[in-house]
Amino acid sequence: GAVVSQHPSWVICKSGTSVKIECRSLDFQATTMFWYRQFPKQSLMLMATSNEGSKATYEQGVEKDKFLINHASLTLSTLTVTSAHPEDSSFYICSARDGQGAAYEQYFGPGTRLTVT
Amino acid sequence: GENVEQHPSTLSVQEGDSAVIKCTYSDSASNYFPWYKQELGKRPQLIIDIRSNVGEKKDQRIAVTLNKTAKHFSLHITETQPEDSAVYFCAATNTGNQFYFGTGTSLTVIP
Repeated sequence: GAVVSQHPSWVICKSGTSVKIECRSLDFQATTMFWYRQFPKQSLMLMATSNEGSKATYEQGVEKDKFLINHASLTLSTLTVTSAHPEDSSFYICSARDGQGAAYEQYFGPGTRLTVT
Repeated sequence: GENVEQHPSTLSVQEGDSAVIKCTYSDSASNYFPWYKQELGKRPQLIIDIRSNVGEKKDQRIAVTLNKTAKHFSLHITETQPEDSAVYFCAATNTGNQFYFGTGTSLTVIP
């Protein structure tokens, strides 16, 4: 149980285009989903927290107009990188909290590697 | 906000030896401290966690200790095996709505 999927697993796009990444909780209802960014050999940096049906809460320094997050249902959250630039190239990982399970435990998706050329 | 520091950044041990990774946190309100193992290119996996009302927790070869007064917690891996080689992250949260991660420790177990 507690499986989180992410799609796509990798994507290459041209500078200036937008990319959408999906995060799904497959066997539980995720009241809260998190989006992280991870650079090579570095830690996970929390970008934003999203709760189903409400606006995402962004961490300081994260541009909400550039990284659009939509948590449309209890099983799906999307991250759209708008007008992508090479510096947006990174590993993006989502995670989800089970609203019915252990209070704070989060389950991670497999990640999406974004390369902007 | 919370600031989590993790040491060491790299650690090499001989197979069968123990490995210890330490984290400190700044927010005394933090009350949940998970540890994650991440293999290259893969997702972080929760390996053990501890809540602030507990001082120690053990699961087979893995244990975590928490010192609330000093605001630090440690991961202990005994009888290390090559498959324990990975990057380990600690994290802290006080609400479950924001997790703050340490900088990671790259553990190498030498056969």
